[in-house]
Amino acid sequence: AQKITQTQPGMFVQEKEAVTLDCTYDTSDPSYGLFWYKQPSSGEMIFLIYQGSYDQQNATEGRYSLNFQKARKSANLVISASQLGDSAMYFCAMREGRPGYALNFGKGTSLLVTP
Amino acid sequence: NAGVTQTPKFQVLKTGQSMTLQCAQDMNHEYMSWYRQDPGMGLRLIHYSVGAGITDQGEVPNGYNVSRSTTEDFPLRLLSAAPSQTSVYFCASSSLRGTAKNIQYFGAGTRLSVL
Repeated sequence: AQKITQTQPGMFVQEKEAVTLDCTYDTSDPSYGLFWYKQPSSGEMIFLIYQGSYDQQNATEGRYSLNFQKARKSANLVISASQLGDSAMYFCAMREGRPGYALNFGKGTSLLVTP
Repeated sequence: NAGVTQTPKFQVLKTGQSMTLQCAQDMNHEYMSWYRQDPGMGLRLIHYSVGAGITDQGEVPNGYNVSRSTTEDFPLRLLSAAPSQTSVYFCASSSLRGTAKNIQYFGAGTRLSVL
């Protein structure tokens, strides 16, 4: 069964607008971590933001925030004030259990920011 | 800051050839892993290691071998390359100490074609 589901293969957003990329996850482990990575056309994987299952507040990192709804098992990435350089693939990933366990990745969402 | 270094960046092999993809990290991370990325599939775990002398299989280990003789290095060996192993390969590492985040940092990737 798919552990991470990203239902939006592609998204468009206009520059300076906010955009939400969806991610739902499936786990029965009470301890887990959720990650978002960005992959620009150059191919590298860039860490953006992390949310722990026991964190009380939604994570924020600059223009990135994670809308964590534990009961719904969703961890959506919100990018505020989009920039042209935000055009990339975005991957949601989950680590179950303690550190040392691998990441399960979703299939990604392609974001295109238009002028 | 070198971080995670992968070599080579590109490689073309003929079916049946063997080769080793190199991965080195200079962050003293205990955890290292190899993923492959195929179009529309996200990243899938091949093998991982939680320390020198310790390795384990991930989701798609067939056709690949790993060893971990030092903390720094985690090479991936293709024993007899097959066209199905055409992919982009990523090495990642993370610390197992300190904060619970244990973010995985990725190398730049190796693009492999098997003819």
